[in-house]
Amino acid sequence: EAGVVQSPRYKIIEKKQPVAFWCNPISGHNTLYWYRQNLGQGPELLIRYENEEAVDDSQLPKDRFSAERLKGVDSTLKIQPAELGDSAVYLCASSLVPTSTDTQYFGPGTRLTVL
Amino acid sequence: RKEVEQDPGPFNVPEGATVAFNCTYSNSASQSFFWYRQDCRKEPKLLMSVYSSGNEDGRFTAQLNRASQYISLLIRDSKLSDSATYLCVVNRNQFYFGTGTSLTVIP
Repeated sequence: EAGVVQSPRYKIIEKKQPVAFWCNPISGHNTLYWYRQNLGQGPELLIRYENEEAVDDSQLPKDRFSAERLKGVDSTLKIQPAELGDSAVYLCASSLVPTSTDTQYFGPGTRLTVL
Repeated sequence: RKEVEQDPGPFNVPEGATVAFNCTYSNSASQSFFWYRQDCRKEPKLLMSVYSSGNEDGRFTAQLNRASQYISLLIRDSKLSDSATYLCVVNRNQFYFGTGTSLTVIP
C-alpha cells in the first residue's frame, strides 16, 4: 500500500516568492493534516481536513497561507509571499477516521528554505 | 504553558543500556497518548500508543499516569538502531507534539 506522498521534497525560494506544496494521502483516508516542523521542535498543526472541509484552521496564518482539498483527496498548501521565518519542513499526514485514537501516517515532508 | 513538555536531551547511552524518557502534559482533558519515533531528516512514525494500564511492545514499555499527567517510555537493551528522536504526542481535539527527546546509542 502506498504511503502519504508529498512533493516537492525540497524547495529553495527567495523571500516574497510564492510556493506550493502538494499532498496525496493514503487511499481511503478521510482526514488530512498539514503540519509545520521547525528545527529542534515537534510538528505543529496548521490545518486539518475531514474530507473536503477544513475543520480546524485556527493555527494557519491566513494572511499568507492558504490550503485546499477540493475533491476530498489531494491537498495543496500555499504560501504567498514567503518570509524568511517560513523555512521549515512541511509535513502532510492522513488518518482513516477522525477519532482521537486513530493513527496518523506522515509523508516524507517538503523541506522549504527561504533565502 | 505548552501542551506537552519533554526533556530534549540528548541522551547518549551504551548499547544494552536501559533508558527512560518522560513527558508531561498540561490539560487534564487530553484523551489519548502516543510515542512517535523520528529519524534524522525523516518523518515521524508511530512507535506505540500509551494506555493507563501500561503497555509493552518487545523492548519498549509505555506508561500513562493520568493523575500526574505524566507519560513515560522505557527502552530496554538499547540497540544502535534505537538512535532517533522520540516524540511524545497528546490528543485533545487535535494532536499536540512535544519537542522530542534525542537518543544516541553508542557502540
